[in-house]
Amino acid sequence: GNSVTQMEGPVTLSEEAFLTINCTYTATGYPSLFWYVQYPGEGLQLLLKATKADDKGSNKGFEATYRKETTSFHLEKGSVQVSDSAVYFCALRPIQGAQKLVFGQGTRLTINP
Amino acid sequence: DTGVSQDPRHKITKRGQNVTFRCDPISEHNRLYWYRQTLGQGPEFLTYFQNEAQLEKSRLLSDRFSAERPKGSFSTLEIQRTEQGDSAMYLCASSRDVRTEAFFGQGTRLTVV
Repeated sequence: GNSVTQMEGPVTLSEEAFLTINCTYTATGYPSLFWYVQYPGEGLQLLLKATKADDKGSNKGFEATYRKETTSFHLEKGSVQVSDSAVYFCALRPIQGAQKLVFGQGTRLTINP
Repeated sequence: DTGVSQDPRHKITKRGQNVTFRCDPISEHNRLYWYRQTLGQGPEFLTYFQNEAQLEKSRLLSDRFSAERPKGSFSTLEIQRTEQGDSAMYLCASSRDVRTEAFFGQGTRLTVV
């Protein structure tokens, strides 16, 4: 079946540090891949996406590359800010069926000034 | 465009009581999804509608759960005879079609005591 595995949190970094949150997936075919972010007290927001192999999604300084050979979609940012503190979810959308999203368990990120 | 709206934001109920949640999707979004998120986990798919038709239900959706979307507009999710294990955040999302981004509401947090 379809599944997503994220690196376990929580992750605590200092401001301006480099961030990587690992995400690997299991799926048939070529699913679309997403990173969602959930800020405190808010709903899930789409951060970035990639719909085919070798695509790079980017937004707000965050990047992730769809790697079919390693079934990965790791999230990176070169210099994090306190305002990046949130919970990050990796997700996939299968190509068949309901097009529903399958989420990882989430990674809580805290950035200290 | 006011986003996806969910009501109530919080609900505390006694075990055995029935509860109903409402979701108002973004206008003209014909797909509507319900997810459940328990503490420390990612959202899990419950069910989805295309217009007024409920096209898929997860095995998580026991017979105590029922969802409707009359006239293809707002949707309701009812839980009958609530149990403590139903305590979770219930998220609603909508999208214009199968290829476009799903937008999430802020969720309804249910606590069963």
